[in-house]
Amino acid sequence: KNEVEQSPQNLTAQEGEFITINCSYSVGISALHWLQQHPGGGIVSLFMLSSGKKKHGRLIATINIQEKHSSLHITASHPRDSAVYICAVLRNRDDKIIFGKGTRLHILP
Amino acid sequence: SAVISQKPSRDICQRGTSLTIQCQVDSQVTMMFWYRQQPGQSLTLIATANQGSEATYESGFVIDKFPISRPNLTFSTLTVSNMSPEDSSIYLCSGTVFNEQFFGPGTRLTVL
Repeated sequence: KNEVEQSPQNLTAQEGEFITINCSYSVGISALHWLQQHPGGGIVSLFMLSSGKKKHGRLIATINIQEKHSSLHITASHPRDSAVYICAVLRNRDDKIIFGKGTRLHILP
Repeated sequence: SAVISQKPSRDICQRGTSLTIQCQVDSQVTMMFWYRQQPGQSLTLIATANQGSEATYESGFVIDKFPISRPNLTFSTLTVSNMSPEDSSIYLCSGTVFNEQFFGPGTRLTVL
């Protein structure tokens, strides 16, 4: 079983819809990252969380440490949000980053 | 915070050649890491680049294939040696600054 699981694997939605991407992990962590990978492969760091909630523009990320779960929300989604969203955790026991397989998001105009 | 840049952003190379990828950070970082993402796969750690000593490689990765340099606290290189089409991947570096992780934009490598 992967230590970091994301759902859904693929998501297609209409422009304007509220998007939720989930990340569950099974190891002790000191931080969790959400990354955005563009179709060309370029990677952008969106959030780093160790507790609570962060907001940046239309993006919101939350983490529940007790439940070992994080969500990334996109409000008023737009076709330019189409990308792969990757959850990554910093594992406590060895300070290594473990990546999820990503969620491929496609927003239709 | 820190900003990490990588060069090149992408390249197309011939089988049997080698490519060196550069990772530059605008701050001094304690730890630097190199990852690989093969098509359809998640990112996987290749090695930890240690300043002033040899890199520490993960299982399945060896120094002869992926030599790494870390001459100072802001710079590292990863060389992909004697490339084959199976090396076609995105290569990503990251660094730790005051216990916070920062990521480069990645280098897309295609080997023909």
